[in-house]
Amino acid sequence: DTEVTQTPKHLVMGMTNKKSLKCEQHMGHRAMYWYKQKAKKPPELMFVYSYEKLSINESVPSRFSPECPNSSLLNLHLHALQPEDSALYLCASSQGLLARQNTEAFFGQGTRLTVV
Amino acid sequence: AQSVSQHNHHVILSEAASLELGCNYSYGGTVNLFWYVQYPGQHLQLLLKYFSGDPLVKGIKGFEAEFIKSKFSFNLRKPSVQWSDTAEYFCAVRPAGTASKLTFGTGTRLQVTL
Repeated sequence: DTEVTQTPKHLVMGMTNKKSLKCEQHMGHRAMYWYKQKAKKPPELMFVYSYEKLSINESVPSRFSPECPNSSLLNLHLHALQPEDSALYLCASSQGLLARQNTEAFFGQGTRLTVV
Repeated sequence: AQSVSQHNHHVILSEAASLELGCNYSYGGTVNLFWYVQYPGQHLQLLLKYFSGDPLVKGIKGFEAEFIKSKFSFNLRKPSVQWSDTAEYFCAVRPAGTASKLTFGTGTRLQVTL
């Protein structure tokens, strides 16, 4: 199983809503990531988790709240988003955190989020 | 901080033409290099990767890339493209020995015509 599964595939939410994006992998990977991808732009790193602990937060606004309940799951809690937050949110995982372990990242299909 | 440049934003080729997509990065230390492909409506998939050793790397679907350290480049090549290669191609860089901060280039949209 080399898949990273993200749910839901599509999400439309109002600016006052609270919703969560979910990501799951069963490859035994210990590093997991959230990326944001706007149309015709490259993915931009938001958060990195290593061994279920937050390792990197790329100055993401607090209306995005990540959570890693266990080594297979990664959530992104959304609250009071703005229309400009509409994007494709990608989850990824890799076997190790340090680059010297020669790991590569596997990406999910993403959740296409629209904030209205 | 590292950065990645892909100078070709949109490339249109006929089937069987040869392909070369440029990728340059700025980072003074050791890096790991990747090319990812995103087919329409699909997720990012790894085409090939370079960690160390032979600078000419072969990937899936007939793609290859050459790491030229002196030029800070990692260009992607394919001798003969197919219509099914139509996709967005992203170069990505990660400094070795750090937390896994993978930085992507702006992407190149490849359109292959019949």
